[in-house]
Amino acid sequence: AQKVTQAQTEISVVEKEDVTLDCVYETRDTTYYLFWYKQPPSGELVFLIRRNSFDEQNEISGRYSWNFQKSTSSFNFTITASQVVDSAVYFCALSESLNTGFQKLVFGTGTRLLVSP
Amino acid sequence: DAGVIQSPRHEVTEMGQEVTLRCKPISGHDYLFWYRQTMMRGLELLIYFNNNVPIDDSGMPEDRFSAKMPNASFSTLKIQPSEPRDSAVYFCASSFSSGGWTDTQYFGPGTRLTVL
Repeated sequence: AQKVTQAQTEISVVEKEDVTLDCVYETRDTTYYLFWYKQPPSGELVFLIRRNSFDEQNEISGRYSWNFQKSTSSFNFTITASQVVDSAVYFCALSESLNTGFQKLVFGTGTRLLVSP
Repeated sequence: DAGVIQSPRHEVTEMGQEVTLRCKPISGHDYLFWYRQTMMRGLELLIYFNNNVPIDDSGMPEDRFSAKMPNASFSTLKIQPSEPRDSAVYFCASSFSSGGWTDTQYFGPGTRLTVL
């Protein structure tokens, strides 16, 4: 069965520090998608990125960057120059193909990031 | 563009009462999902619909839970009777399918349910 491991339960940094959130996954699918979602203190789940298994190029969006490595089954997320507004719980998720043709999302347990001023 | 809309945002009720949670998916999306989030179990998929038809309800915890999608723009999750262990945040999400793949799921703001 698919599995997503976010070993870091909580990370505390000071503003302007860089921080990397780790995500390791297990899958038997040859084609799959990986996601990151952000859950700020207000509670909503905000989509950040979707990456398919055939695209190992790193992605950068502003202060956010993602490093996808199939060789190590990892999809790590780095925030550069962190800000207080980055404080949230971040979830990594993996698609799991079902017999119905639907791809279910398997979520990790989340990493709580606390950025202090 | 409007995202997924859920109501109410907060619900406090007493054990034994019926609770109805509502969701309006993003227009044009053909998949709708109901999730439950608790500290103990994290995010759990309860049920999902495709083109208004329930496809898999294996995640629904008990017969006390039921979900409907009468049309493409509205879904309900009902708990009857409610119990304190149902207290959680319930999320609705929607996505569309393309090329045989279910695309990114976009989540609503959630309903925080407290059953006393």
